Amino acid sequence: EAQVTQNPRYLITVTGKKLTVTCSQNMNHEYMSWYRQDPGLGLRQIYYSMNVEVTDKGDVPEGYKVSRKEKRNFPLILESPSPNQTSLYFCASRQLTEQYFGPGTRLTVT
Amino acid sequence: DAKTTQPTSMDCAEGRAANLPCNHSTISGNEYVYWYRQIHSQGPQYIIHGLKNNETNEMASLIITEDRKSSTLILPHATLRDTAVYYCIVRVWDNFNKFYFGSGTKLNVKP
Repeated sequence: EAQVTQNPRYLITVTGKKLTVTCSQNMNHEYMSWYRQDPGLGLRQIYYSMNVEVTDKGDVPEGYKVSRKEKRNFPLILESPSPNQTSLYFCASRQLTEQYFGPGTRLTVT
Repeated sequence: DAKTTQPTSMDCAEGRAANLPCNHSTISGNEYVYWYRQIHSQGPQYIIHGLKNNETNEMASLIITEDRKSSTLILPHATLRDTAVYYCIVRVWDNFNKFYFGSGTKLNVKP
């Protein structure tokens, strides 16, 4: 089954403690991206990747890092999380037409 | 990518057709119209896309006006499970860069 998986699905952490949210897709898509969703602000793109070792900033990249060492994986790294990064995060992958989204990761930073 | 304008919310009776409008008056010739929806807090789901001609798939129909300045997504027989936020997005076909979702239309399907 074609899918995008994210882990963990829920995470509560403290300010400053580094964390990684993993994202994996099994469709051999070249393009992957990360979004965050906040009430009243909608879905905003954090980073995207057009292929292995090719990444670029989206609309809200501050405080985040990404890497794309393999085609199927696109982890999101928060080196020093802060409370304003409390949000619902989605990973997505696509080829040319439709994007496939993961189930989401709900992150709370206290 | 051109910006889109959608109503904030709409209601529809179960079993009736839901017609969701989208205005994209600044669309350019190489930009496609895409529709996605998001049910509660799940990941958005692709519905349909088109350039000029009307399109239909198993989920919905997309009607694009001749001047391409607006479009309508039609769910022919709405069910309660179609209650979601619907996003209209305009972008170039092979634009692998930023993807802007906007605020969408909250469709409430009522029994």
